[in-house]
Amino acid sequence: GESVGLHLPTLSVQEGDNSIINCAYSNSASDYFIWYKQESGKGPQFIIDIRSNMDKRQGQRVTVLLNKTVKHLSLQIAATQPGDSAVYFCADSGGGADGLTFGKGTHLIIQP
Amino acid sequence: ETGVTQTPRHLVMGMTNKKSLKCEQHLGHNAMYWYKQSAKKPLELMFVYSLEERVENNSVPSRFSPECPNSSHLFLHLHTLQPEDSALYLCASSQGTGTSSYNEQFFGPGTRLTVL
Repeated sequence: GESVGLHLPTLSVQEGDNSIINCAYSNSASDYFIWYKQESGKGPQFIIDIRSNMDKRQGQRVTVLLNKTVKHLSLQIAATQPGDSAVYFCADSGGGADGLTFGKGTHLIIQP
Repeated sequence: ETGVTQTPRHLVMGMTNKKSLKCEQHLGHNAMYWYKQSAKKPLELMFVYSLEERVENNSVPSRFSPECPNSSHLFLHLHTLQPEDSALYLCASSQGTGTSSYNEQFFGPGTRLTVL
């Protein structure tokens, strides 16, 4: 079936630097994408979403970029903080009528 | 914290046991979900309920049996599980179904299940 995947399993960044987490998707019919953050011992938490009629959306310290031509999604975190340490998942709406299809996740590690 | 609670947080069971996972949402949502999260694998959608009716079942083995008695509670009944069923089981809820921020899914902390 269709899949959503992340490029790297682990990303290590210095505190204060910007982080970029990438995601590739294969379902050309996907029209809605979400980034989730999962901290240790907790369930995933919604960060930001974007529809396919947009190519950029900004939140507080986070920006999601969508390139439909190459089916690529990225999450940019500005001025990374220790509290940003978590596993980040991208997901799309192509997994069924009402559920989400998740990627495997990228573990973001913050170095002091 | 998220308004979605799950009990128990940890469960160890033998393959012949019968147990149930419980999820409760305090957000007034109409849709609830069960996901399975295994190590090194993406989250897998198992079941979706909308207004207490099952709307999606992603070919889950019959040893997993969901129950949604009302819009605030969701159960996952387990029987004769296999060791490969060991995983984190996550419950989520949303206002409705469909793709929009309005229907953002809120997740519980999960139940860590170990099948011996």
